[in-house]
Order: sequence, then C-alpha cells, then structure tokens
Amino acid sequence: EIVLTQSPDILSLSPGERATLSCRASQSLSSSYLAWYQQNPGQAPRLLIYGTSNRATGIPDRFSGSGSGTDFTLTISRLEPEDFAVFYCQQYSSSPRTFGQGTKLEIK
Amino acid sequence: QVQLVQSGAEMKKPGASVKVSCKASGYTFTGYYMQWVRQAPGQGLEWMGWINTSDGGTNYAQKFQGRVTMTRDTSISTAYMELSSLRSDDTAVYYCTRDLRENWVTTFEYWGQGSLVTVSS
Repeated sequence: EIVLTQSPDILSLSPGERATLSCRASQSLSSSYLAWYQQNPGQAPRLLIYGTSNRATGIPDRFSGSGSGTDFTLTISRLEPEDFAVFYCQQYSSSPRTFGQGTKLEIK
Repeated sequence: QVQLVQSGAEMKKPGASVKVSCKASGYTFTGYYMQWVRQAPGQGLEWMGWINTSDGGTNYAQKFQGRVTMTRDTSISTAYMELSSLRSDDTAVYYCTRDLRENWVTTFEYWGQGSLVTVSS
C-alpha cells in the first residue's frame, strides 16, 4: 500500500498570499497518477488537480500542481477567501487507492 | 449535468448491514466506473473499492473484503454499496464517486452528497 504524507498539517495564511502544500509518497507513482481535492466543512470533496498537474473542469488557474516520483506540490498562487478548506492528495497509481491525511488551510 | 444522488442517513445496530444507493443522471451510466469512499467523523478519506458499471466487476480494498458488496442496476442507473457486520468504527459518511475517465479506473471526478451511516447500540 502506498502511504501519502502531507505537510504541513495546518497552514495559516492570509488572503492574497501564496500557499504551498506538499504530498510525499512512500513509493514512486507511475504515470504521475496523483490528484488533489478540496473539502469544505459538511461538503463532499471537490477534484482540483489530476495527473499531478491537470486542472479539473471549472478549477481556477490560481490552482496548480507539480511534482513527480514521490514528491508532489499543490500551489495556490493568490489565496481567495473561499480557498480556506482542507486539502487531500490521493494516488491512483495502484490499488488500494490511498489519500494523504489532509492539510488544513486556515485564515491567519 | 452529472448528478449523483445518494440515499438518506441510516442508523444501525452493531452486527447489522446497511445498503446505500447512488442514483446517477446526466451521463451514460455504464460508461464510467463508480467508486466508493468513506469518511469517519472528523477524519480523512478512505477508499473502499470500485465497480465496473458495465459488467459488474468489482475490486474491493483488502480492509473491507468479505464485508462489502458493490452492485448496480443499469435499468435505473443506480449503484449500491452494502456493508455487513457493522461495527461502531464503521460510523461514517459514505460517498459514491464517478470516475474521471470513461471506461477506465482513475480518480474521483463527481461525488454524491454523502450518506451518513451511524452504528450504535
């Protein structure tokens, strides 16, 4: 099973700042099958990024993904008030699919 | 537009079974795998398995092998997830998710609204 470890657990920033979230896999992901999700309280997660760097339909271009192998990053270039939420990375390189533990992005 | 509408909240006793439904609309049901993910209160996300909605083939996470059954009824575009021998730590919101790619198992593009299952004596 591939273990995903996200850092930091909590990230405190202000609107307008840049956010950088990390996700490290316990083994290399084939074909960069790594996705990022955003979840607001009481809501289902929303797909942001798939295939490491591809934005899902309707996702603003301030969200970007990068990385390869075992190290991946989600960057939010300029935080908007609606961006503060919990973010999860998820691998679909192998079964079982696994998620990171989440990073909570909170308003400073 | 793609919609996944799940059945309502359930309260079950330990040892019982629960069956959650997920009705799909806005796309060709048999063209996309359906995957199930759960989330315990205040916790992260956990993948349970997938079903090939075209031929009914399944792949379950080892953790749930023997307790979970995923089925579908193509005539009404509905997928089901049944979990048996329920324990208190099965208390969670259960989500159905539609795959990103047609005829391929990848990641979770569309999500149902979630079904809360509470297991308590």
